[in-house]
Amino acid sequence: NAGVTQTPKFQVLKTGQSMTLQCAQDMNHEYMSWYRQDPGMGLRLIHYSVGAGITDQGEVPNGYNVSRSTTEDFPLRLLSAAPSQTSVYFCASSYSRRLAVRTDTQYFGPGTRLTVL
Amino acid sequence: GDSVTQMEGPVTLSEEAFLTINCTYTATGYPSLFWYVQYPGEGLQLLLKATKANDKGSNKGFEATYRKETTSFHLEKGSVQVSDSAVYFCALSGSSNTGKLIFGQGTTLQVKP
Repeated sequence: NAGVTQTPKFQVLKTGQSMTLQCAQDMNHEYMSWYRQDPGMGLRLIHYSVGAGITDQGEVPNGYNVSRSTTEDFPLRLLSAAPSQTSVYFCASSYSRRLAVRTDTQYFGPGTRLTVL
Repeated sequence: GDSVTQMEGPVTLSEEAFLTINCTYTATGYPSLFWYVQYPGEGLQLLLKATKANDKGSNKGFEATYRKETTSFHLEKGSVQVSDSAVYFCALSGSSNTGKLIFGQGTTLQVKP
C-alpha cells in the first residue's frame, strides 16, 4: 500500500490563480480530511468527508472547495488564491465507522507546501 | 466546542534528560486522545493513542495516560535522544468519531548531545 499520497509537494501561485491539490488513499478508508498547518497554530481542519458523495466544512473552509466522487480521491480546490492561503496542506484518512473496534487513527500524507505571492 | 491546549515550546533538553509535554483538553463525551510527531520536513506520524479513561498509550519509549479527572494526556519519556527532536502534537477525536481531529498548537522539542 502506498498509504496517503499528495501532489504536488511544492507549489507557488500568484494571487487570484486557482489550483487543485490532489489527495489519494489506497486503504479503502471512508473518512478523509484536509488540514492546513501554520506556525504556532497546529493543524486546522478545512473540509472533511465521511464517504463518497458526502463532504462538510471544518474550522477554516473559506476559499476552498472539495468533492468526493470516489472513495480513493479527495481533491482540494483553491478558487482564487490569496497570500493568506500560504501554508502547508495535509490530507488524512481513517477507517470506516463500521469496524467493530473503534479505530479512529488518522493517516497523513506527506503534505503540500503552498506559497501564494 | 472541543479544544486542545499544549504547553508552549520550544523545549530544549540535553540527551538522556526526562521529557514531559503537557496537554489538556476540553470535550464532551468520551474522546480518543492522540500524540502525533512531525520530524523535520515530513508529515505527521501517529506516536501513541488512548481511547478511554485510564488507558496508557506507549510507543518508542514515550508514554501518555488518559486522565479524565484532570482532562489531561501528558507525554513523557524517561531518556530522550537527539533523534527525538521534532514537533509533537496532542490531538483529540470527538466521541462522534466522524474522522475529525482537533489539534493543539504543537510543541517543538530540541535535544542537544
